[in-house]
Amino acid sequence: KAGVTQTPRYLIKTRGQQVTLSCSPISGHRSVSWYQQTPGQGLQFLFEYFSETQRNKGNFPGRFSGRQFSNSRSEMNVSTLELGDSALYLCASSLGTGQYNEKLFFGSGTQLSVL
Amino acid sequence: AQSVAQPEDQVNVAEGNPLTVKCTYSVSGNPYLFWYVQYPNRGLQFLLKYITGDNLVKGSYGFEAEFNKSQTSFHLKKPSALVSDSALYFCAVRDDNAGNMLTFGGGTRLMVKP
Repeated sequence: KAGVTQTPRYLIKTRGQQVTLSCSPISGHRSVSWYQQTPGQGLQFLFEYFSETQRNKGNFPGRFSGRQFSNSRSEMNVSTLELGDSALYLCASSLGTGQYNEKLFFGSGTQLSVL
Repeated sequence: AQSVAQPEDQVNVAEGNPLTVKCTYSVSGNPYLFWYVQYPNRGLQFLLKYITGDNLVKGSYGFEAEFNKSQTSFHLKKPSALVSDSALYFCAVRDDNAGNMLTFGGGTRLMVKP
């Protein structure tokens, strides 16, 4: 069974540009969550999608957005990039959402560098 | 609001010795607690979780964690450390009204020396 796949693995952008990251969850998983990892702020929750609906959202500006498709694949978009957006963006999938025995499976991440 | 604290940025231990990585948490509802490990240039791998039941939880690769409600702690332990256990360890909490939103601690780097 394939794991969580994130593409691309690395991205280099310049300030002001926008970027789209992609995440394919494990087959059968309906929930996709996104996290930002930086040396200074650690791991921070961005948002969660379940059955194409945003279920939870973290404390990030509106420049960060996401969506989920009917096949559970998810994309996140960051517009008007800032230097501080440089980070490892991790996607995690799970069968459902919020169930007591839920476990997240993480992808290897997309390393975004903003110059 | 929920929060997690990992008081040690780094833990050093000799191979073969027991290890402990500390974690304390704060959550408004029932706590669901997790430990994840991250190797260089990789995502997070699930080690173990506490949902309810026995306070001692056993997980992958010989790791275990002890849930202590009165001290709001969930320390990760292993009886005998391996050099290959060297990695970054994250404690996380979720309450029962937060979907899959995890709040992570800052991480603890474990260094196991031969």
